[in-house]
Parts: sequence; structure tokens; C-alpha cells
Amino acid sequence: EVQLVQSGAEVKKPGESLKISCKASGYTFTTSWIGWVRQMPGKGLEWMAIIYPGDSDTRYSPSFQGQVTISADKSISTAYLQWSSLKASDTAMYYCARPYVTGWVDYWGQGTLVTVSS
Amino acid sequence: QSALTQPPSASGSPGQSVTISCTGTSSDVGGYNYVSWYQQHPGKAPKVMIYEVSKRPSGVPDRFSGSKSDNTASLTVSGLQAEDEADYYCSSYAGTNYLGVFGGGTKLTVL
Repeated sequence: EVQLVQSGAEVKKPGESLKISCKASGYTFTTSWIGWVRQMPGKGLEWMAIIYPGDSDTRYSPSFQGQVTISADKSISTAYLQWSSLKASDTAMYYCARPYVTGWVDYWGQGTLVTVSS
Repeated sequence: QSALTQPPSASGSPGQSVTISCTGTSSDVGGYNYVSWYQQHPGKAPKVMIYEVSKRPSGVPDRFSGSKSDNTASLTVSGLQAEDEADYYCSSYAGTNYLGVFGGGTKLTVL
């Protein structure tokens, strides 16, 4: 059974750094893309970035390029999303997702709520 | 990439049918047969209901169907049930970066 299990909720202050994780199981981690989708409070879904763990090929949405970094550790089948300096506008739910190359997502993580407040 | 356009809300009575539209451009919806639809209940992760325009994953009721004409895709929910009340998002493949584009979402209310 495919599972994407995300790290727990975070409360941070503006300017702090953060790295959230998504542990995959039930499939070959290195042969599927995996990525992150943002959902701001009361708003819709937005693709942020994806990575192919097999060769670390990464793709970023123009809106998020330079704002976040996606990475993956093949040895523990885990994907990460990190910020170097959080802003209040980063407050959102972040979903880990496994997209096919044609864009549709068959598996989602449970979500990680990130709250940034002074 | 701009978000796909969906109506903010839709509604229907139990047993009725409702159709939600999703309009894009020739660079996304119109250019590929790779439109998908997701159902999201409050506080839950999205769930795929339709992929590649009209295919249903295992376990999704056949009350859910998808279609596409030119730059507009549609999701039809037939025989509405109370549990169908949720937010629905369309998504389309949009080119070589493999990152899809989502619609703004439609809140479906079962009256």
C-alpha cells in the first residue's frame, strides 16, 4: 500500500528557517516524481515543486522558484521542502503528492500545517 | 501559468445531476487529454476522482464522469448524494515542466 506520511504541524516566527518532510512507502521511491502543493487558508491548490529522486531532477513553479528548496534522500525514501527565511504569507497547509508525468496525482500525504506568526 | 477557471460554487438537490466546468487555454486543457479532478472535504487531503479527462480510479463511483471540449473540461456528478458536498478542483498538464496547473476550486453544495 502506497503511503506518504508527512511531518507534524509547525509554528514559526518570521525570518526563521524550516524543513518539512514526507516519508514514502509502498513503492519504488526512485522511479516516481514527488512534490509539494500549497493550500493557503480558505484558498485553492498550487503546485510548488517536484523532484525525481532517481536523479534529483527538480522542477519549480515560477511563483516558488527561489523561495523554497525541494530535496530528497533516497536512502530513507523521504522528500523535503525547506525555507531559509519564513514570512507570514507562508502560513498554509502543505501537501506532499505523487504526480504522474501527465500531471495527475494518485497519492497525497495528510498535510503539514505551517503557521508563521510573530 | 495561470490558474484554470472554475465557477466558485455549484449546487443541486439529492438525486439530481450537476456539472462543474473548468476553462483553460490551448496550452493546457485544450492541448492535452490530461485533465484531472479532485474532491476535497474540509480538513482532508484532496482525492482524485477523474484522471486523463474521463478515467475513474478504482473505488470512485460511476456517478462521477468527466469530459472535455476544446479548452473546457467538465465534471458531472449524477445522482447527487450528501457525501458529494465538497470542494472540487480541476487540474491540467501544461507542458514540459511536469507541474500541472489547478483551477480555483468549486464548492459543491447538496441542498
